[in-house]
Amino acid sequence: QVQLQQSGPGLVKPSQTLSLTCAISGDSISRNSAAWNWIRQSPSRGLEWLGRTFYASKSKWHNEYAVSVKSRITINPDTSKNQFSLQLNSATPEDTAVYYCARGQVSYYAMDVWGQGTTVTVSS
Amino acid sequence: DIQMTQSPSTLSASVGDRVTITCRASQSISSWLAWYQQKPGKAPKLLIYKASSLESGVPSRFSGSGSGTDFTLTISGLQPDDFATYYCQQYNSFSWTFGQGTKVEIK
Repeated sequence: QVQLQQSGPGLVKPSQTLSLTCAISGDSISRNSAAWNWIRQSPSRGLEWLGRTFYASKSKWHNEYAVSVKSRITINPDTSKNQFSLQLNSATPEDTAVYYCARGQVSYYAMDVWGQGTTVTVSS
Repeated sequence: DIQMTQSPSTLSASVGDRVTITCRASQSISSWLAWYQQKPGKAPKLLIYKASSLESGVPSRFSGSGSGTDFTLTISGLQPDDFATYYCQQYNSFSWTFGQGTKVEIK
């Protein structure tokens, strides 16, 4: 059974970097039919896809990011730990949300396994 | 970005009812449409992918249809466990967007 376990701080100060990690069990981050996503949810913005990383081929990884956060976001795979991370720079109170990691199926563009969610508040 | 519009926003229904939720895309997305169920404090759960394919383990009372811009999720015979919020999600050109949600309440 595939499980995603999220970790990271629940409180971030404005202008600092929001960092979360998603550990994968029961699957391999390098499987080339899967993509690894970050999504957030807030009352004001609803569910918002932030970006994803996936193993393309020949040791190359490919990232795709939402236009709304493209200048501030980095998603990195860590094959040694079978996990991936989210970094969102220059956090503002508008980044306050529940953050989810999720596995996506490359063949049909839907997310079939989700992490438990992490509530992140951006506040001084 | 493609906008997804769900209707209704809230739906009151009774156990056993047939329920239909619609989702409209601002431009054609072929069949790249998924439906999720979310309960309070929990992550979304995938129900339907590629507009009409039932995710493994999801009861057959859930079904999806549509293509292009207009899609529907139907629950045939609402069960107590089905009272939740439902979201559609589209994929197009390296971008995913969600609808605003439809809350299914007990009548």
